[in-house]
Amino acid sequence: AQTVTQSQPEMSVQEAETVTLSCTYDTSESDYYLFWYKQPPSRQMILVIRQEAYKQQNATENRFSVNFQKAAKSFSLKISDSQLGDAAMYFCAYRSGLAYNNNDMRFGAGTRLTVKP
Amino acid sequence: KAGVTQTPRYLIKTRGQQVTLSCSPISGHRSVSWYQQTPGQGLQFLFEYFSETQRNKGNFPGRFSGRQFSNSRSEMNVSTLELGDSALYLCASSAGDAGGNYGYTFGSGTRLTVV
Repeated sequence: AQTVTQSQPEMSVQEAETVTLSCTYDTSESDYYLFWYKQPPSRQMILVIRQEAYKQQNATENRFSVNFQKAAKSFSLKISDSQLGDAAMYFCAYRSGLAYNNNDMRFGAGTRLTVKP
Repeated sequence: KAGVTQTPRYLIKTRGQQVTLSCSPISGHRSVSWYQQTPGQGLQFLFEYFSETQRNKGNFPGRFSGRQFSNSRSEMNVSTLELGDSALYLCASSAGDAGGNYGYTFGSGTRLTVV
């Protein structure tokens, strides 16, 4: 079964600085999708960024970028120019590209990010 | 475009009772997934519905059930509530068969407290 591991329960960053959140996953599949979600205190999970496994180019979304290392099964999230509004719980997630069966999204345990003013 | 709507936002129930939670996906989305979120277990997959059919099911006891209606709205039901069922229940919708590959859109969840 695919598993997602986030080894940093908590991280903190100074406002305007850069922080990197780590994520590793375990799979024997070659077709899959990886995601980072943000969950602020309002509870709603918000999609931050998405990566397709067959694309070598790392995804970027404004201040958010990933470092996707397929061979190492690593998918880290870099937040540049951190803002107070970035403070939240961040979840890494995996979804199999195989159709239908057992391709529910699997989540890591999360990393709580604190942004210091 | 309205987001994913979950009702109610908060619920307090007594052990042994049953509860029904509702989720209205984004208009046009046909897939609805449910997750249970607790501090100890994190996000755990409950089930996924697509076009009124349960397509995937997580490792939860039979007390947890769900369904999806023709308008894609979904409900989940928990019978004979236990204290351990206290959690945030999240609903997520996605478009089409492989819509989940583009990510889910989540609702704000229903906070269930069992006393």
